[in-house]
Amino acid sequence: SAVISQKPSRDICQRGTSLTIQCQVDSQVTMMFWYRQQPGQSLTLIATANQGSEATYESGFVIDKFPISRPNLTFSTLTVSNMSPEDSSIYLCSAAIAGTHEQYFGPGTRLTVT
Amino acid sequence: GENVEQHPSTLSVQEGDSAVIKCTYSDSASNYFPWYKQELGKRPQLIIDIRSNVGEKKDQRIAVTLNKTAKHFSLHITETQPEDSAVYFCAASGHPSEKLTFGTGTRLTIIP
Repeated sequence: SAVISQKPSRDICQRGTSLTIQCQVDSQVTMMFWYRQQPGQSLTLIATANQGSEATYESGFVIDKFPISRPNLTFSTLTVSNMSPEDSSIYLCSAAIAGTHEQYFGPGTRLTVT
Repeated sequence: GENVEQHPSTLSVQEGDSAVIKCTYSDSASNYFPWYKQELGKRPQLIIDIRSNVGEKKDQRIAVTLNKTAKHFSLHITETQPEDSAVYFCAASGHPSEKLTFGTGTRLTIIP
């Protein structure tokens, strides 16, 4: 397995502001992903974080709203921009570990927008 | 794109009995099927996975079966214990390191 950390673990933000979430993995990884999970619901993929190039976004998610960076193999950031209450959710990063390719999740960031 | 359906949405079983959760997928190119367990307030944890070149995989009290022809796979938990209570998600992808499409989840409650 791997140790995946995220920060912050939670935040309360005002409408119209932005929040950047960091994800760090302690092992060699191949792929990194960002998901959103509403309370009591399943996980929805936001985007695949590509090292050194633009992220690949899923339908319904755009770069202007969710800019993603991945400057090296084991670190990625997700920014939630111009937030509204509808952005309140848990944001999780995941990483596919080199070798096994199994995917593991970070602990999540609980975001509340007021 | 891939679509994964999961049933049932809730499941209650007596401690010691078995639990079965079923998933179907739509994309015949999918070859990797992991299962995650998520306890309240925690991250999803990978508990078992199966690749398309095998029909069954077992790890202690947990087993997963795959029927590629019918495009469905199932999670079996035997001798259930209270600590098995959680939400379970199935998922599918073309390759283990590719993006996962998740099912809607099953809330499993073990009744002592």
